[in-house]
Amino acid sequence: DTGVSQNPRHKITKRGQNVTFRCDPISEHNRLYWYRQTLGQGPEFLTYFQNEAQLEKSRLLSDRFSAERPKGSFSTLEIQRTEQGDSAMYLCASSTGTSGISETQYFGPGTRLLVL
Amino acid sequence: DAKTTQPTSMDCAEGRAANLPCNHSTISGNEYVYWYRQIHSQGPQYIIHGLKNNETNEMASLIITEDRKSSTLILPHATLRDTAVYYCIVRVAVGGSNYKLTFGKGTLLTVNP
Repeated sequence: DTGVSQNPRHKITKRGQNVTFRCDPISEHNRLYWYRQTLGQGPEFLTYFQNEAQLEKSRLLSDRFSAERPKGSFSTLEIQRTEQGDSAMYLCASSTGTSGISETQYFGPGTRLLVL
Repeated sequence: DAKTTQPTSMDCAEGRAANLPCNHSTISGNEYVYWYRQIHSQGPQYIIHGLKNNETNEMASLIITEDRKSSTLILPHATLRDTAVYYCIVRVAVGGSNYKLTFGKGTLLTVNP
């Protein structure tokens, strides 16, 4: 399978614990995006990487959230001191990064987080 | 990015064509129309996109009106597996800073046997 992969698919944690999610984009895709989706809503943009550089962060991304993309390949999203409001589906997407033409983002299956 | 308006839900009989409308009356000349769908508990799946011409691929057809203020996604022969939330999104081509997708609540399409 050459699509976007995310691990773990499900995570249950207790409030106050730290969690880390991983995203492996489609090979050779330069751009990587994180979105969050709560129940009944469409996905909301969190942050975006061009290669290893994090170029934009949404106001939704509080100080407890940090994302990295070392070497411009896979990415991790860490949530520190989780709160019940962090319960959501965390989605990763990637795209080719070709400027000037329409560009399609391809999504992974998501990581569903439940904070107890 | 321009806002879109979609019906909250629609029903379709299995084997019939599903026509999903989207209004984007404030679309700009350089904004594309994208369609994604999301089957329950899965990540969004890209379907099709277009600028001003009608487009067709193996999944669907996209009809964009001449004034580009609305579009219709057509699934020619809907199956039960097409039951999903369908999102219509407009955005500029990447090349500036408009890289993110802004999702609304979409249309829940239910295909009935």
